[in-house]
Amino acid sequence: DTAVSQTPKYLVTQMGNDKSIKCEQNLGHDTMYWYKQDSKKFLKIMFSYNNKELIINETVPNRFSPKSPDKAHLNLHINSLELGDSAVYFCASSQLTGGGNTIYFGEGSWLTVV
Amino acid sequence: AQKVTQAQTEISVVEKEDVTLDCVYETRDTTYYLFWYKQPPSGELVFLIRRNSFDEQNEISGRYSWNFQKSTSSFNFTITASQVVDSAVYFCALISNSGYALNFGKGTSLLVTP
Repeated sequence: DTAVSQTPKYLVTQMGNDKSIKCEQNLGHDTMYWYKQDSKKFLKIMFSYNNKELIINETVPNRFSPKSPDKAHLNLHINSLELGDSAVYFCASSQLTGGGNTIYFGEGSWLTVV
Repeated sequence: AQKVTQAQTEISVVEKEDVTLDCVYETRDTTYYLFWYKQPPSGELVFLIRRNSFDEQNEISGRYSWNFQKSTSSFNFTITASQVVDSAVYFCALISNSGYALNFGKGTSLLVTP
């Protein structure tokens, strides 16, 4: 059973479209994250939710909107997609917020905007 | 501010060689955690180890070992008798005890050839 699962794994879409990436974790964790990996492989936090409440919202365009219907799910919706949004998006989770908790990642969603 | 530096961008070794991946970090926090993750060609991020700032004992797990030295702010990763399956990008990351997200280094791409 996959601990952190995200769908779709691959997504190719045109500029201007709206798309969503779904994420679910079955680890019973309270905290979930979205990280972005750019073309140079650099990983950076986008959002963090703890028990459905937003904790971190890094300097991400308003076109990106996370939604957490419950603590096991954290979906990422992107409006008006731009070429620069092409990246790998990783969902992750940890038991609690804070450094003492290991963060487990999903398999990534490869988004290509054409 | 926190920072993780992985100065080695790419390393290439021949199978069975030992290889050390360097990680140097900066933080003003006294309590923090260091991580290593592996990203194989298939793309997922695999957790390898977490170490807290109060535990400087070296750790060995099979062919993998980690050397944590607070005096030099380093958390180096050694693979003994490397194998082709070790080929991956390896990321070092840091989070403070009160932090909300991992700060990643830029990664080291390791290629192990037969």
